[in-house]
Amino acid sequence: EVQLAQSGAEIKKAGESLRISCQGSRYTFSTYWIAWVRQMPGKGLEWMGIIYPDDSDTRYGPSFHGQVTMSVDKSTGTAYLQWSSLRASDTAMYFCARLMIASRDPYYAMDLWGQGTTVTVSS
Amino acid sequence: EIVLTQSPGTLSLSPGDRATLSCRTSQSVSSTYLAWYQQKPGQAPRLLIYGVSSRATGIPDRFSGSGSGTDFTLTISRLEPEDFAVYYCQQYVSSRWTFGQGTKVEIK
Repeated sequence: EVQLAQSGAEIKKAGESLRISCQGSRYTFSTYWIAWVRQMPGKGLEWMGIIYPDDSDTRYGPSFHGQVTMSVDKSTGTAYLQWSSLRASDTAMYFCARLMIASRDPYYAMDLWGQGTTVTVSS
Repeated sequence: EIVLTQSPGTLSLSPGDRATLSCRTSQSVSSTYLAWYQQKPGQAPRLLIYGVSSRATGIPDRFSGSGSGTDFTLTISRLEPEDFAVYYCQQYVSSRWTFGQGTKVEIK
């Protein structure tokens, strides 16, 4: 089954670092853009950015530029989202999602979603 | 940044009713670049519609999308019990993708 599997829930303290993961399986990981989407408790979806695994071309949403870092490991088919210093306001569910077309062009909807990773940051 | 405004915020309907959800964009969006997603509590979003009116794989034909320019609509022709959820529109034409704030379809 084609899927994205995300890492488990995290409980952290403000100021700590964190990296969460999203592993693709049963498709050619390197040729589909991966997006990250944040959902704060009780709120809507926010687009954080996208990364193209083949060359790590990355585009961040304006609210997230400089706040998080997206990366990939093509050898394992895994995308990562990391924070160097967490804040309480980073408490949220984070989803990774695949753009639906294998293309260098990023202008497609997201057809495959991970199950989400809950990040809880205490102050 | 293109802002998407969804209305209404909440739609209270009964199974079998027709649901009409609106999404307005702050700038004209090419018909190729607008999608709709469904999200149920505790679950990841699911792609319903892409390119304004194309149904994603496995989506029943009671879901349809329409619109152009700055006004887009998701219609659910006859609500099934499993359709009560939150629905989001999203544009992906600019390099700064954005979602609408969501419309909750609840049981009346």
